[in-house]
Amino acid sequence: DVKVTQSSRYLVKRTGEKVFLECVQDMDHENMFWYRQDPGLGLRLIYFSYDVKMKEKGDIPEGYSVSREKKERFSLILESASTNQTSMYLCASSLWTGVSGREQYFGPGTRLTVT
Amino acid sequence: SQQGEEDPQALSIQEGENATMNCSYKTSINNLQWYRQNSGRGLVHLILIRSNEREKHSGRLRVTLDTSKKSSSLLITASRAADTASYFCATVPGAQKLVFGQGTRLTINP
Repeated sequence: DVKVTQSSRYLVKRTGEKVFLECVQDMDHENMFWYRQDPGLGLRLIYFSYDVKMKEKGDIPEGYSVSREKKERFSLILESASTNQTSMYLCASSLWTGVSGREQYFGPGTRLTVT
Repeated sequence: SQQGEEDPQALSIQEGENATMNCSYKTSINNLQWYRQNSGRGLVHLILIRSNEREKHSGRLRVTLDTSKKSSSLLITASRAADTASYFCATVPGAQKLVFGQGTRLTINP
C-alpha cells in the first residue's frame, strides 16, 4: 500500500513566522503535489514536482515555496505566514505516466492555523 | 482553476438507498477520477475512468462518463453509514495535474 505521511496533523503558528510542512511518500512516485483545501473553494493546487529538484507552480503559488531534494520528500514552505494561509494542507503523490495523469495518493492533511 | 463542478452540493439519504452525484467539466480530458474524503482527513482514490470509456464499476460504485456532454456521474448502490463523506470528481486535462471540483457532501442516515 502507498503511504503518504505529513509531519503534523495540527499546527499553530504566528503571523510572520516561517513554516515548514513536510511530506514523505514510500512508493517511489515521481510526482508530488501540495494542495490547500478551504470551505467552498475545494482543493487548489499550490505547487507540484515531477522529479527531484524540479518544481512547477500550481494555481495559487503566491506566498509559498517548495523544496524537493530527495525523491520521497516534498516540503512546502510559507516564507512569512499570514492569517489568510490558515487552511488544511494536503500532500499527494502519483506515478509519472506521460500525458495522462494517474490516481493520486493523499496524506492525512495538516490543519494549519496562523494567528 | 476549478474545472469539475459537482451536483448536488449536499445529499442526505436513508441507509440502503442509492446515491447519485454528478460532475460537469469544461475542457477536454484524458481521464476523470472520483475521490472520497472522510471528515478532516485526506482524500482516497475511488475510481478512474478514461476518456474513451463510458462506464466503469468497482464494487458498489458505478461511474459513467459522457464526453459529449462533459459530464460524469457516480452512483453508490445500497448505501451504508460508512459511505458518509465528501465526494470529489477530478479531471485530468493534460500532463500530471488533477483539477478538483468542490465536492458533494453525502450523509447516510441510519
